[in-house]
Amino acid sequence: KQEVTQIPAALSVPEGENLVLNCSFTDSAIYNLQWFRQDPGKGLTSLLLIQSSQREQTSGRLNASLDKSSGRSTLYIAASQPGDSATYLCAVSPRPKAQKLVFGQGTRLTINP
Amino acid sequence: GAVVSQHPSWVICKSGTSVKIECRSLDFQATTMFWYRQFPKQSLMLMATSNEGSKATYEQGVEKDKFLINHASLTLSTLTVTSAHPEDSSFYICSARDLREGPISSNQPQHFGDGTRLSIL
Repeated sequence: KQEVTQIPAALSVPEGENLVLNCSFTDSAIYNLQWFRQDPGKGLTSLLLIQSSQREQTSGRLNASLDKSSGRSTLYIAASQPGDSATYLCAVSPRPKAQKLVFGQGTRLTINP
Repeated sequence: GAVVSQHPSWVICKSGTSVKIECRSLDFQATTMFWYRQFPKQSLMLMATSNEGSKATYEQGVEKDKFLINHASLTLSTLTVTSAHPEDSSFYICSARDLREGPISSNQPQHFGDGTRLSIL
């Protein structure tokens, strides 16, 4: 059974710092891995999707990496801003049932001005 | 981009009431929609897969008679929490896949609604 773990559960850093969020999964048989942002009381906003054949994806100040063999992904946020404060979730799309996303518990990020 | 709308965004009702939540794909068609449940400070758990024109597929441990799902058109799925009790209070989120983005097994993302917060008194 696929399990996804995110560490740390919460993180608080000063504005301007670069930071890394971690995600690990137990079964390397995945189609892709996705990072989402969730604001309090809101739904999910997709940030980055990495296909299983890819090593990383970049969007603006965000960079996500994937090491499928070791079951790990990181989300790197450069030059953090208060507006980055949110909960970040990673989810894998497992083989063979791609649509059954398996989510981690999330990392609650606070960027202090 | 693909937009998924959920309604209502927040509902408070008495124990024993049945509550219906709607999930609509606004600018695309979706043969498959997904319903998730999220408890405070916990992850999303898939409850069921809603299939247009056929019965929903429920995950293990999810009561079919408790959580009724109807997917009558390519743009609308509904989740009805029947005879709701305080333990059903949670955040319910739906997602949908755009038909144009390929078959269900392809590497394409799901598009999520903004969720519905259900509070049962």
